[in-house]
Amino acid sequence: NAGVTQTPKFQVLKTGQSMTLQCAQDMNHEYMSWYRQDPGMGLRLIHYSVGAGITDQGEVPNGYNVSRSTTEDFPLRLLSAAPSQTSVYFCASSYRVGLGVDTGELFFGEGSRLTVL
Amino acid sequence: QKEVEQDPGPLSVPEGAIVSLNCTYSNSAFQYFMWYRQYSRKGPELLMYTYSSGNKEDGRFTAQVDKSSKYISLFIRDSQPSDSATYLCAMIDPGYSTLTFGKGTMLLVSP
Repeated sequence: NAGVTQTPKFQVLKTGQSMTLQCAQDMNHEYMSWYRQDPGMGLRLIHYSVGAGITDQGEVPNGYNVSRSTTEDFPLRLLSAAPSQTSVYFCASSYRVGLGVDTGELFFGEGSRLTVL
Repeated sequence: QKEVEQDPGPLSVPEGAIVSLNCTYSNSAFQYFMWYRQYSRKGPELLMYTYSSGNKEDGRFTAQVDKSSKYISLFIRDSQPSDSATYLCAMIDPGYSTLTFGKGTMLLVSP
């Protein structure tokens, strides 16, 4: 099992460009989520999904779109990149829809480092 | 005020020291508490998980929850240089659909 795979690992964008961060998991997890991690701010939830076709907003959703057409994939789209979106992005998944049952452990990818100039 | 507060550190200790990491929270509805460990340039990994108030021990690690004070702790005994990482506390929201993380405390254990 590869676990949670994120691509690309590094990306530099210019302001106004759009791009998609890819996330795939091979553990048949129902729950998938995207976080951003910034110095002094910790991990903040952007969007999450409890199953194919179902998505919801987290703490900081503005400027990002998601969709979940398959169980395995959960791409994060930046519509018009801004310097404030410079961050490290983490995708995470869990086999439980309801976190907290049997630990509800989140499995994280290795991160995608995005710089917006 | 953020729902979960955690001192970002860094916390520097010599090898063999006992380390205490702490978080406070404001939402009394939180019931499940976790500690994640994150090595540099890696994703976080679950270290400890607790549900109720009290202590839970796993090897050199002890997680403590005091719901009455809204305070959780992680103790590391006989700390090792390999324990150098950022430790994030996390709590599951009452709807069981999201995790709220603390900012993380960076721990440096020197040989």
